[in-house]
Amino acid sequence: GNSVTQMEGPVTLSEEAFLTINCTYTATGYPSLFWYVQYPGEGLQLLLKATKADDKGSNKGFEATYRKETTSFHLEKGSVQVSDSAVYFCALSAPDTGRRALTFGSGTRLQVQP
Amino acid sequence: EAGVVQSPRYKIIEKKQPVAFWCNPISGHNTLYWYLQNLGQGPELLIRYENEEAVDDSQLPKDRFSAERLKGVDSTLKIQPAELGDSAVYLCASSLSQLDTQYFGPGTRLTVL
Repeated sequence: GNSVTQMEGPVTLSEEAFLTINCTYTATGYPSLFWYVQYPGEGLQLLLKATKADDKGSNKGFEATYRKETTSFHLEKGSVQVSDSAVYFCALSAPDTGRRALTFGSGTRLQVQP
Repeated sequence: EAGVVQSPRYKIIEKKQPVAFWCNPISGHNTLYWYLQNLGQGPELLIRYENEEAVDDSQLPKDRFSAERLKGVDSTLKIQPAELGDSAVYLCASSLSQLDTQYFGPGTRLTVL
């Protein structure tokens, strides 16, 4: 079946540090890949997505590249801010296998200190 | 444009009591999802609707959980009777179609005592 594995948190960084959150996946077919963010007290928000191999999703300074050869979709940001503190979820959907719902990783909490 | 609306935001009940959650998806979104999010974990699908039809309910514990989406718009998820292990956040999401981006509501945090 489909699965997503994320690095465990919390990840604690100082403001302006470089961020990487690792995500690898297992899926049949050709999944689409997503990063969602959950700020304290709020619902999940789509941060970025990529629908085919070598696509790069980007938003708000965050980037992730769909690497089929390594089955990875690592999230990166060059300079984090305190306002980026949240829980980040990697997810996939595999509509060509009939599995249209999202399969999520367990989430990685990011704490950015001033 | 209004997002996905859920109510209540918080609910505390005693075990064996019934509870219901309500979701109003984004206008025009035909696909509606209910997810369960346990503490420290990612959401897991409970049920997916295409309009008023439940097309994927394989993960819904049907002995105590039920859901409906009358007229293909709002949806209600019910638990009867609730158990201690049902304490979690229940998320609703919607999308234009089954292949489109899913948008999530704020969730209902359920505590069963």
